[in-house]
Amino acid sequence: DTAVSQTPKYLVTQMGNDKSIKCEQNLGHDTMYWYKQDSKKFLKIMFSYNNKELIINETVPNRFSPKSPDKAHLNLHINSLELGDSAVYFCASSQGGRKLFFGSGTQLSVL
Amino acid sequence: SQKIEQNSEALNIQEGKTATLTCNYTNYSPAYLQWYRQDPGRGPVFLLLIRENEKEKRKERLKVTFDTTLKQSLFHITASQPADSATYLCALDQGNTGKLIFGQGTTLQVKP
Repeated sequence: DTAVSQTPKYLVTQMGNDKSIKCEQNLGHDTMYWYKQDSKKFLKIMFSYNNKELIINETVPNRFSPKSPDKAHLNLHINSLELGDSAVYFCASSQGGRKLFFGSGTQLSVL
Repeated sequence: SQKIEQNSEALNIQEGKTATLTCNYTNYSPAYLQWYRQDPGRGPVFLLLIRENEKEKRKERLKVTFDTTLKQSLFHITASQPADSATYLCALDQGNTGKLIFGQGTTLQVKP
């Protein structure tokens, strides 16, 4: 029974398209995150939600819009995809912000 | 500027030996430091957390030290096994921001 699950696992798309990544956690955690891991393996936070409320928004382009319908779900919608958006996107959750549980990642390739 | 650095070169060791990985940081004052393991194609998995007032933390074959004067954490795996081969990430937690700052990771390869 997967704790943090995200879909799809792979996403290949053309520049300019709009795409979404979905994330769900069944751990009962209050906080969920989106992280981006670039080709050099640096993992950087993009957004954090606590009980459906946005609490961290790191200088991410407006083309990225997170949505949290409830505390168990955090989706990421990306408009007008660019080549530089190619990366692995990880969803994560935590209770109290200390120990993070990550999903298995979505590898996004923009052609 | 703020930096967090881990050995960028892969660490290759023989099975049974102790692996030591380093995490150095500048211009941060973390309240906690965490270590994660990441396998290819998978998300990071939490291993250990150490607080700024703790010098050392152990969990089975793992040991973490945290020196806030040197601004360094060392991560040790004793009696290493091929199954320990993975990338290990350190992450700084400043305690009041709700976000972790990750290093780029060190890849460990344990040879039988």
